[in-house]
Amino acid sequence: DAMVIQNPRYQVTQFGKPVTLSCSQTLNHNVMYWYQQKSSQAPKLLFHYYDKDFNNEADTPDNFQSRRPNTSFCFLDIRSPGLGDAAMYLCATSPVGGPKNIQYFGAGTRLSVL
Amino acid sequence: GEDVEQSLFLSVREGDSSVINCTYTDSSSTYLYWYKQEPGAGLQLLTYIFSNMDMKQDQRLTVLLNKKDKHLSLRIADTQTGDSAIYFCAEIVLTGGGNKLTFGTGTQLKVEL
Repeated sequence: DAMVIQNPRYQVTQFGKPVTLSCSQTLNHNVMYWYQQKSSQAPKLLFHYYDKDFNNEADTPDNFQSRRPNTSFCFLDIRSPGLGDAAMYLCATSPVGGPKNIQYFGAGTRLSVL
Repeated sequence: GEDVEQSLFLSVREGDSSVINCTYTDSSSTYLYWYKQEPGAGLQLLTYIFSNMDMKQDQRLTVLLNKKDKHLSLRIADTQTGDSAIYFCAEIVLTGGGNKLTFGTGTQLKVEL
């Protein structure tokens, strides 16, 4: 029944080694978001896709990229992870103009950088 | 920019009511939300309120909104141990390319027996 699915739940990578996190959705929503949540902090929006249109937040580091090959899937690529990139990464979706503008979240991927 | 602010920690006894407070920043937000996050998990939408309302009740949850003061609160009646989690308020900014949520700093609720 999971509607926003993130894989893997836990990811360990080495300093500087590229890593990709995956998100898929069964809701057919137009918009997909990636948030970074560091320990004891609020989730912070990195970027989002409105269909194929990519919208980057002004303060998102260049080290973070995203791809959305189709409606269902969205990937977060970290080109050269640093120790400061260790965090929980949350994917969310929402329909455009949907009622109440609700965002639906996945369970998250916790990234560790060694 | 300004932060959406919440108190960091709240401890209550099982069966008591919990009140979690939030001060938001954008007076034009059309909806305000409360999300719950259990340890190691994603965010679960608990409830929301439309900005032209001042109160919403949903089973054990009551949301109060004071637009003048930009103050939002969540009251949980008959708090249970399963309510222990971090609670985030969030305000929405509507953009042409999809809505954007700004989250509060989170309040950790601990329910003691």
